[in-house]
Amino acid sequence: QSALTQPASVSGSPGQSITISCTGTSNDVGSYNYVSWYQQHPGTAPKLLIYDVSARPSGVSNRFSGSKSGNTASLTISGLQAEDEAAYFCSAYTGSTTVIFGGGTKLTVL
Amino acid sequence: QVQLVQSGAEVKKPGASVKVSCKAPRFTFTSHAINWVRQATGQGLEWMGWMNPNTGDTGYAQKFQGRVTMTRDTSISTAFMELSSLRYEDTAVYYCTTETNLYFDFWGPGTLVTVSS
Repeated sequence: QSALTQPASVSGSPGQSITISCTGTSNDVGSYNYVSWYQQHPGTAPKLLIYDVSARPSGVSNRFSGSKSGNTASLTISGLQAEDEAAYFCSAYTGSTTVIFGGGTKLTVL
Repeated sequence: QVQLVQSGAEVKKPGASVKVSCKAPRFTFTSHAINWVRQATGQGLEWMGWMNPNTGDTGYAQKFQGRVTMTRDTSISTAFMELSSLRYEDTAVYYCTTETNLYFDFWGPGTLVTVSS
């Protein structure tokens, strides 16, 4: 199974909003609302940001939001802050108790 | 906040096996599946499989079928991931993570496995 497709990099200035896409197929993103997003700073473990397409765990800023349309899920970060500079990964359920990740997107805050 | 404690870094020769451990608080261990995810340096995340600590049931990514074994010792609330027939491309950080309804809520700090002759 191929990884979900994410842009390799995105950038934005402080205060701006950016959106990271995560494109799968009708067998994964398009079929289930089990899409999650993770933030990873260098040298640290990933951290859960969004689950079930758009739900936020307790403690995650409401500047992070998720959505889905068809086979593509999206993560939007509003009011960009320097601390948001990190790698972001999406994940989706593919059925048959398997999960796949996206290739990751490096966010640069200019 | 749930803390997962993983075993230390390993250096293995090609063809050898490695066994990584992941200790969880008892309540977490009995209420969450444990998944394993790896990440080669500078690369993305790669899901390897899951284990139900209560039943021992497992499910593995097709890529690792036949090479990976996930087990647990309930008496010490510890999960294990063993990868055999190691290749250079298995060099990576291996993370254990708790799973709730197909998302990964808490992650261990990772264990670096280096395959080198």
